Amino acid sequence: GAGVSQSPSNKVTEKGKDVELRCDPISGHTALYWYRQRLGQGLEFLIYFQGNSAPDKSGLPSDRFSAERTGESVSTLTIQRTQQEDSAVYLCASSPGTSHEQYFGPGTRLTVT
Amino acid sequence: GDSVTQMEGPVTLSEEAFLTINCTYTATGYPSLFWYVQYPGEGLQLLLKATKADDKGSNKGFEATYRKETTSFHLEKGSVQVSDSAVYFCALNSYGGATNKLIFGTGTLLAVQP
Repeated sequence: GAGVSQSPSNKVTEKGKDVELRCDPISGHTALYWYRQRLGQGLEFLIYFQGNSAPDKSGLPSDRFSAERTGESVSTLTIQRTQQEDSAVYLCASSPGTSHEQYFGPGTRLTVT
Repeated sequence: GDSVTQMEGPVTLSEEAFLTINCTYTATGYPSLFWYVQYPGEGLQLLLKATKADDKGSNKGFEATYRKETTSFHLEKGSVQVSDSAVYFCALNSYGGATNKLIFGTGTLLAVQP
């Protein structure tokens, strides 16, 4: 079946602009995660959604970052007033809730100039 | 907090050589441990996992054993192929309340030469 998809695959934006990144999880997966991968570094957890529970936002680096998810479907990650240090690959993953295995999308490469 | 440390790369090997990529972790409780692989131009894929001490995860000729006494989960393969060239990430799942988030190492680039 279809895997996790993300759009756009690449995004170049000017410093100070807002960006929206989209994630389509695998159908039926109740859990959804956003991670960030800066150049030469490991993945950093950003935010977690599980069903209708309140999201775990503990990994968001600043209040410029926010994310939404409607039910068990699409999620959008929004970065307001982008800064150069926001340049990274943003990865989305989903899992069937209680499973430990997370399935990752191809990522969105964000470049802030 | 929980963390994962893995050997820095790049690791360059000739085809059919033996591979070890070291991974150690720090965690409260009893996490599950994972190796993910990222092939060039592709997304992150789960390679293998182990959910409790002394478990051995294996897939595609790769193996890793969950060693609680040494807090390690080293990745091994007896004979690498050019097609194994990729970035390998060690990870653990960290339970922060109800969150099943993954904590990753920085990744190790493996380059296998023919």
